[in-house]
Amino acid sequence: QKEVEQNSGPLSVPEGAIASLNCTYSDRGSQSFFWYRQYSGKSPELIMFIYSNGDKEDGRFTAQLNKASQYVSLLIRDSQPSDSATYLCAVNAGANSKLTFGKGITLSVRP
Amino acid sequence: KAGVTQTPRYLIKTRGQQVTLSCSPISGHRSVSWYQQTPGQGLQFLFEYFSETQRNKGNFPGRFSGRQFSNSRSEMNVSTLELGDSALYLCASSPGREYEQYFGPGTRLTVT
Repeated sequence: QKEVEQNSGPLSVPEGAIASLNCTYSDRGSQSFFWYRQYSGKSPELIMFIYSNGDKEDGRFTAQLNKASQYVSLLIRDSQPSDSATYLCAVNAGANSKLTFGKGITLSVRP
Repeated sequence: KAGVTQTPRYLIKTRGQQVTLSCSPISGHRSVSWYQQTPGQGLQFLFEYFSETQRNKGNFPGRFSGRQFSNSRSEMNVSTLELGDSALYLCASSPGREYEQYFGPGTRLTVT
């Protein structure tokens, strides 16, 4: 059973702080990693994807991947109240595999 | 480019009825996946279609079925509806199965 685990929440940070969201996966053959943001009552929105070990930055968001440790994280710098949402980690083990989602973690950014 | 569209957006059905949901992917995307989302279970994979062929299937009963047409549009059908089928049904399209998926707005199904 391929699993994707996200650290339990909810996570609350003050405005302007760095929010760190973590995700581990069980399938060592996983190749593609995604972070989605889902506002209450809305559908998931893709915000980052990463395929190679290391960091990938996009604006205030940084995705970090460590395949040896089977770990992927999302850092949100200068957190804003508008970042308050549920963040879903998703992992794809390859072209013949489905996308497996974690349960998500709810982030709350306090003004 | 237009995003993923799903119809209808909201649906109320009675137990025992059947329902068909529709999804139009982003132009050029050939892969369509369906998910069920409930507060207790999170996002659960139903099935995935690529070039009209079902390539992956989740752990749902046979009452849940789907298909994909030659223009990549997809439908899913749920027969003999149960109260527990009340959920948000999401469709996601992708250029290919190893690439990122983009979600539609979802269909909110309520079974009474």
